[in-house]
Amino acid sequence: QKEVEQDPGPLSVPEGAIVSLNCTYSNSAFQYFMWYRQYSRKGPELLMYTYSSGNKEDGRFTAQVDKSSKYISLFIRDSQPSDSATYLCAMSHYGNNRLAFGKGNQVVVIP
Amino acid sequence: GAVVSQHPSRVICKSGTSVKIECRSLDFQATTMFWYRQFPKQSLMLMATSNEGSKATYEQGVEKDKFLINHASLTLSTLTVTSAHPEDSSFYICSARDRDSSYEQYFGPGTRLTVT
Repeated sequence: QKEVEQDPGPLSVPEGAIVSLNCTYSNSAFQYFMWYRQYSRKGPELLMYTYSSGNKEDGRFTAQVDKSSKYISLFIRDSQPSDSATYLCAMSHYGNNRLAFGKGNQVVVIP
Repeated sequence: GAVVSQHPSRVICKSGTSVKIECRSLDFQATTMFWYRQFPKQSLMLMATSNEGSKATYEQGVEKDKFLINHASLTLSTLTVTSAHPEDSSFYICSARDRDSSYEQYFGPGTRLTVT
């Protein structure tokens, strides 16, 4: 079983819709959870960063972590065509720099 | 803030030659830098972790003598692909962890290597 599972998609939504992305993981030692956005042929850009369980909101983006279910989510409200990108979840242990990445989820927002 | 640059952004080289890729943290000091490679429509695969002033730690299956990593200062790490072959063609991305941060990593824009 892979450490981090993420359905690669692609996911197409109309402009203005809510985008819902998620990852599951197997290692209960993960404490730090991140979502990165990657445009084609560019490096990943940190979007959201959460420590342990709970919700975090930043503008149109909401990240949720449910450690009991080993499940994390990213929601994008009022999606825009500029949100079209690949979204990668990543996580790490306490005291460990290494990030375990999901495969990435390609999102296309149709105008 | 938290900008990481990579140079070059794109390089084409002939089989058998060596290529050096630079990774710089522009506005912060990075005690740790990471090197990844990414194949089309695949996730990032960690190659090695480099700490300033010490030897890099390579992931299982990554050849140390082929992928030479140097992290000589708090703002610069280099990856040299030695005796490159077509199968080394890939997108190489570095990331850096801010010395004053916890576990956030900031990524460079990547380098597209094509070996002919």
